Amino acid sequence: GAGVSQSPSNKVTEKGKDVELRCDPISGHTALYWYRQRLGQGLEFLIYFQGNSAPDKSGLPSDRFSAERTGESVSTLTIQRTQQEDSAVYLCASSFDGSIGGTQYFGPGTRLLVL
Amino acid sequence: GEDVEQSLFLSVREGDSSVINCTYTDSSSTYLYWYKQEPGAGLQLLTYIFSNMDMKQDQRLTVLLNKKDKHLSLRIADTQTGDSAIYFCAESPGSGNTPLVFGKGTRLSVIA
Repeated sequence: GAGVSQSPSNKVTEKGKDVELRCDPISGHTALYWYRQRLGQGLEFLIYFQGNSAPDKSGLPSDRFSAERTGESVSTLTIQRTQQEDSAVYLCASSFDGSIGGTQYFGPGTRLLVL
Repeated sequence: GEDVEQSLFLSVREGDSSVINCTYTDSSSTYLYWYKQEPGAGLQLLTYIFSNMDMKQDQRLTVLLNKKDKHLSLRIADTQTGDSAIYFCAESPGSGNTPLVFGKGTRLSVIA
């Protein structure tokens, strides 16, 4: 596609439910990143994929968070047993391996609200 | 560890120049970026600068890098109301595909 797309654009869920957030990177981009942006805050790194493997999971806040990527394309971020503090915008970015500085291009984000 | 600091707010009059400042701590940063986030939207890459440069100009945007002081600035000439947004400074601590470290963003308000 022309850019990074994410779905859903908005998600409201009840505390304790599981949610899945999807990211479609730019075609041909081998690296994919998930960030979280809480209201009024900067971006917090969650996890990064190179191909289908995740060399850096250091940012995942707890074991309720997991992510996978298949076919060097789509990635899914899953949050189990959601808590109110999980409410945030979840941003996905992709970059082409070897591009200048690994420049990351962002999707529009998924706004998650946990009631 | 890496840290990126920005002032939180900036207000300018339409037609004036805006200067958004950023400091970072990782001296090994290879690239530094400026992203723009409009209300309800994702991040849009504005420009970037390689660490061996001290200035980069792109139309109304001028990026200045003082590597010694680890200070980065973004100047927007002839600021327009459409420039109102949050501007994020980010550093790339390694090379290639590594996670970026972002500042908290500077909210630019342009007064007509």
